[in-house]
Amino acid sequence: EVQLLESGGALVQPGGSLRLSCAASGFTFSNFPMSWVRQSPGKGLDWVSSVNSGGGGPSYADSVKGRFTISRDNAKSTLYLQMKSLRLEDTAVYYCVRESQSNSAWHFDDWGQGTLVTVSS
Amino acid sequence: DIQMTQSPSSLSASVGDRVTITCRASQGIGNYLAWFQKKPGKAPKSLIYAASNLHSGVPSKFSGSGSGTEFTLTISSLQSEDLATYYCQQYSRYPLTFGGGTKVEI
Repeated sequence: EVQLLESGGALVQPGGSLRLSCAASGFTFSNFPMSWVRQSPGKGLDWVSSVNSGGGGPSYADSVKGRFTISRDNAKSTLYLQMKSLRLEDTAVYYCVRESQSNSAWHFDDWGQGTLVTVSS
Repeated sequence: DIQMTQSPSSLSASVGDRVTITCRASQGIGNYLAWFQKKPGKAPKSLIYAASNLHSGVPSKFSGSGSGTEFTLTISSLQSEDLATYYCQQYSRYPLTFGGGTKVEI
């Protein structure tokens, strides 16, 4: 059974930093691209960042580019999201997502339960 | 960026009703379209990928169709457990984008 367990969410002041982790199990982590998706209170789902199976080719939403860094440690089956210069609008539940392939394209498949990041003074 | 527009933004239906949600892309995305179900306090659940393929374990009352710029999600017989917000998402190109969601009330 695929399991994705996020951690690291916390209350942080504007301008602060935080690192989220996602511990994966139940599949061969190093074979799959991974992503982060967030949902701000009362809002819809927003894609944040994606990374390929080897850790290269990261992509970011414009709203986080230059402030967030996605990475992974395949030896530890763990995905990370380093967040810096946090803003009030970064307040959200952050979900770790495993991607799966169909017809040469990768789509979102399994989701973690999420970790809450609150940016407030 | 590819804009995804869902309609309606909310709907109210009765148990047993057939419900259809529409998702339009601002440019052609082939069939690189997914649907998700989101319940309050729960993680999103993947329902459909490649416009019409059901994820493993998803009940057959859910179906998807479309290609290019117009897509639909249909729930053939609405049940109380289907109360949720439904999102479409394109994965044709970055940045990946979601529709604004359709809240389904019973």
